[in-house]
Amino acid sequence: AQSVTQLGSHVSVSEGALVLLRCNYSSSVPPYLFWYVQYPNQGLQLLLKYTTGATLVKGINGFEAEFKKSETSFHLTKPSAHMSDAAEYFCAVSDRLDMRFGAGTRLTVKP
Amino acid sequence: DAGVIQSPRHEVTEMGQEVTLRCKPISGHDYLFWYRQTMMRGLELLIYFNNNVPIDDSGMPEDRFSAKMPNASFSTLKIQPSEPRDSAVYFCASSLTGAGQNTEAFFGQGTRLTVV
Repeated sequence: AQSVTQLGSHVSVSEGALVLLRCNYSSSVPPYLFWYVQYPNQGLQLLLKYTTGATLVKGINGFEAEFKKSETSFHLTKPSAHMSDAAEYFCAVSDRLDMRFGAGTRLTVKP
Repeated sequence: DAGVIQSPRHEVTEMGQEVTLRCKPISGHDYLFWYRQTMMRGLELLIYFNNNVPIDDSGMPEDRFSAKMPNASFSTLKIQPSEPRDSAVYFCASSLTGAGQNTEAFFGQGTRLTVV
């Protein structure tokens, strides 16, 4: 079985500050890992994904995440937060069959 | 492609009534997922299909919930009878396997269900 734990249901940063959203996973097989973003009243949109190869992956809107097998982590970062980044972020793990999501982290960006 | 299409976008129904949610996956995708999102429980996987066949329905909360996929372009999630605690946003998602790999899931806009 696979699962995802997102540390911190709410994260608040100032505009221009570093964004760090934490995700740890468990999987019995080499995982595929994803970060999705959800804006109010919208579906989930893929930010980035890791399947194989380079462990540092870059996504849309300046986000990136690093797969660290030894730490079973896939934390999402962005060097400088923008007001438009305010949304809910979901980490997900796939064993190539189904996809399981974390509980989500709501990001607030203060002016 | 128009993406994953769900209907209706909003549904308000009375307790005890039957509710049917509909989903049209992206053409060519062979996996279809139904998720439920609530404040209390987050995003839960209810059931998923591969090539129209249900693979894992262990997330379906009760026998009141049923899902079908009669063909590659259509799926339904039915709740009968509905209860207030079923109120949630229900998402459908689809994905494509290639070379044995499952790519990311593409989500519909969701159906917001309110049972009063």
